[in-house]
Amino acid sequence: DTGVSQDPRHKITKRGQNVTFRCDPISEHNRLYWYRQTLGQGPEFLTYFQNEAQLEKSRLLSDRFSAERPKGSFSTLEIQRTEQGDSAMYLCASSVLETGELFFGEGSRLTVL
Amino acid sequence: EDQVTQSPEALRLQEGESSSLNCSYTVSGLRGLFWYRQDPGKGPEFLFTLYSAGEEKEKERLKATLTKKESFLHITAPKPEDSATYLCAIRPLFGGATNKLIFGTGTLLAVQP
Repeated sequence: DTGVSQDPRHKITKRGQNVTFRCDPISEHNRLYWYRQTLGQGPEFLTYFQNEAQLEKSRLLSDRFSAERPKGSFSTLEIQRTEQGDSAMYLCASSVLETGELFFGEGSRLTVL
Repeated sequence: EDQVTQSPEALRLQEGESSSLNCSYTVSGLRGLFWYRQDPGKGPEFLFTLYSAGEEKEKERLKATLTKKESFLHITAPKPEDSATYLCAIRPLFGGATNKLIFGTGTLLAVQP
């Protein structure tokens, strides 16, 4: 069990560019979540996958954000036409139980200049 | 609106000085209340789940309790390694996104030797 892995750990980009983050969950976990966390705040829910199906999306997930989980394994979160307000830590989590006991990765920190 | 409020925002303790962190919440129906620990630059780490008023959970120097409106995280004889941000989260029973956790902004705990 290597834990939840996220890549890249840090990304600096210019406003208007597209960025993509990858998350590899714990291998036997069929549930995968994306959260966003800004400085001094708690994580905010973005989206939830059960296997390959995206079952829930937050209103925070504007049309510039898209998430996929092909084949129910790894997941990607893409942000198009980045804005300075997108600067945050993007956290991925996985779970095997429907209990809310999430296992988080170390996050991908995005800085938009 | 479902929400979580944590207090205090920051707490400084001497090693061995016991204290409590508070998490008050409003929710139409509670599926579970969760405590996580977050170290700087890391993702949150799961500590406890509480499901019903009166329930208590313990782990080493930490004990979490739950009432109908709030939860407490009691820290007994803390050590410097307990320094971290402690996050409280609720999982709503109702609403469109029942698999999301709603986090508070956390309590930043510093334990001085």
